[in-house]
Amino acid sequence: DGGITQSPKYLFRKEGQNVTLSCEQNLNHDAMYWYRQDPGQGLRLIYYSQIVNDFQKGDIAEGYSVSREKKESFPLTVTSAQKNPTAFYLCASSIPQGAGGQNEQFFGPGTRLTVL
Amino acid sequence: GIQVEQSPPDLILQEGANSTLRCNFSDSVNNLQWFHQNPWGQLINLFYIPSGTKQNGRLSATTVATERYSLLYISSSQTTDSGVYFCAVVDTGRRALTFGSGTRLQVQP
Repeated sequence: DGGITQSPKYLFRKEGQNVTLSCEQNLNHDAMYWYRQDPGQGLRLIYYSQIVNDFQKGDIAEGYSVSREKKESFPLTVTSAQKNPTAFYLCASSIPQGAGGQNEQFFGPGTRLTVL
Repeated sequence: GIQVEQSPPDLILQEGANSTLRCNFSDSVNNLQWFHQNPWGQLINLFYIPSGTKQNGRLSATTVATERYSLLYISSSQTTDSGVYFCAVVDTGRRALTFGSGTRLQVQP
């Protein structure tokens, strides 16, 4: 089945540790995205990538880093510089805007990160 | 950046009732999507609707791009419709979604 997978589902981190969240898609989409959701709020954009080996900061990129070495994968690292990392993290993918067809975004099931 | 406002923030319905959720946005958009977030956090795509009207079963949506709003209609609501409904847009100056703060819907039996 085509889709987006995220792992782990739940993640616990001690203060001062870096952690990496996985996002993989087999939809053959060029564009991938990371969003953060805090309780009772909408999603906010962390980073996005329109193509392999290229990515741009979103609205809340401080304390996060990404890489895009493969079309299928877009891992997110939450660094110790992120002051309040406890949140729900969602990954998405789409055909890039302007590439023809709908650029509808599809989301993975998310990772809940808790800092202890 | 573009602003997205959803109303009402909270809505309680009896099973079988109809409802209308509204999404206003402050600038021209290339993409507008409606999502339902279930209790486990999964975002379920309801509609991709930058303009026009679409229907899918008991749900339908209309976007009037020139007036910068979209409406989501839920008819004959069921308890399984409960959750948070988000509107999100892609404006001409950016290539990712900007989300509203959502409408939390509770359908009571």
